[in-house]
Amino acid sequence: DTAVSQTPKYLVTQMGNDKSIKCEQNLGHDTMYWYKQDSKKFLKIMFSYNNKELIINETVPNRFSPKSPDKAHLNLHINSLELGDSAVYFCASSQLRTEQYFGPGTRLTVT
Amino acid sequence: KQEVTQIPAALSVPEGENLVLNCSFTDSAIYNLQWFRQDPGKGLTSLLLIQSSQREQTSGRLNASLDKSSGRSTLYIAASQPGDSATYLCAPDRGSTLGRLYFGRGTQLTVWP
Repeated sequence: DTAVSQTPKYLVTQMGNDKSIKCEQNLGHDTMYWYKQDSKKFLKIMFSYNNKELIINETVPNRFSPKSPDKAHLNLHINSLELGDSAVYFCASSQLRTEQYFGPGTRLTVT
Repeated sequence: KQEVTQIPAALSVPEGENLVLNCSFTDSAIYNLQWFRQDPGKGLTSLLLIQSSQREQTSGRLNASLDKSSGRSTLYIAASQPGDSATYLCAPDRGSTLGRLYFGRGTQLTVWP
């Protein structure tokens, strides 16, 4: 059973488009996260939700909007995609202040 | 702001060697620290989590230590194997913000037969 899953695994799109990435966890965790890993492999947090409430919102362009319909899901919607948005996006989950479990990542390529 | 440095950036060793990967962080007000491995093109796999009240944590051939006051953590890998080849990432959290991990740039480990 996959603990943290993301769809799609790969996403290729043109500048200006709007796209969404979905994340689901079946671990019963209360907290979910979105991270971005850039081309230099540097990993940085973007957002975190605890019990559907936004608790971390880093300095991210407002073109990025997370949505948590329930505790098991955290989706990431990106408007007006730019070349610089190309990266690997990881979803993760945890019980608060415990080990974080990561999904396999979504490789986004903006052309 | 928490800055995390991992040394060395890359390491290439023959199978069987015992290894030490170093991590230092600037803000000692952490709640816990997590070590991960990342295989090429894959997600992160959690290896060990050390709480700030602990000095060390062990899992199989892995041992992680934490010196919170000096802002250091060390991952020790015993009897390395080719399957250990991956990038190892250190991530302390930030004590005041729940679950916010700060990542280093990792140590890229290659273990050759």
